[in-house]
Amino acid sequence: SQTIHQWPATLVQPVGSPLSLECTVEGTSNPNLYWYRQAAGRGLQLLFYSVGIGQISSEVPQNLSASRPQDRQFILSSKKLLLSDSGFYLCAWSPGGSGQPQHFGDGTRLSIL
Amino acid sequence: DAKTTQPNSMESNEEEPVHLPCNHSTISGTDYIHWYRQLPSQGPEYVIHGLTSNVNNRMASLAIAEDRKSSTLILHRATLRDAAVYYCIPPGTSYDKVIFGPGTSLSVIP
Repeated sequence: SQTIHQWPATLVQPVGSPLSLECTVEGTSNPNLYWYRQAAGRGLQLLFYSVGIGQISSEVPQNLSASRPQDRQFILSSKKLLLSDSGFYLCAWSPGGSGQPQHFGDGTRLSIL
Repeated sequence: DAKTTQPNSMESNEEEPVHLPCNHSTISGTDYIHWYRQLPSQGPEYVIHGLTSNVNNRMASLAIAEDRKSSTLILHRATLRDAAVYYCIPPGTSYDKVIFGPGTSLSVIP
């Protein structure tokens, strides 16, 4: 069966520090991969999605970037964190093709001080 | 620009059925209807999806209107663990992107 791993679960970082969040998927090949952010008490905002290695689409301009160095690995990064980057970050995967549901990781709660 | 409409919140008594409505009047003929739920401090969880016919799985049932402009997620017997935010995913996102609106916050009363 397919599983998705996301780490760390919790992270506290100072303003201006770099960020790297990693997400890996097991048990499937060539998945679509996604990064979302959820601010406290708000809905989910799609940040990036990828349909293949090295293919990244960005949904909103921001201080963050994403990379997909391997088929089942998706990384969210920042060179310098802002206070506004605080939130709950979620990675998800779906099989390719139309109408396929997404499956989410457990999320990373990021606090910027 | 929201393409779906869900009530902000609903309440249900434990052990009773719950019907969560969603209007998606701009849906196209090839758009699937997806439902997810999010428990506190967790990532969203896929619940069910369908295209035209009603669908059942171990978690819930999905009733889709004949004109497909609305759907209803049915939890047959609400438990305390069903307290969550339920998202009906807008049409036009059937390929590779899922856009989450505010959803319906379901409270289950013991």
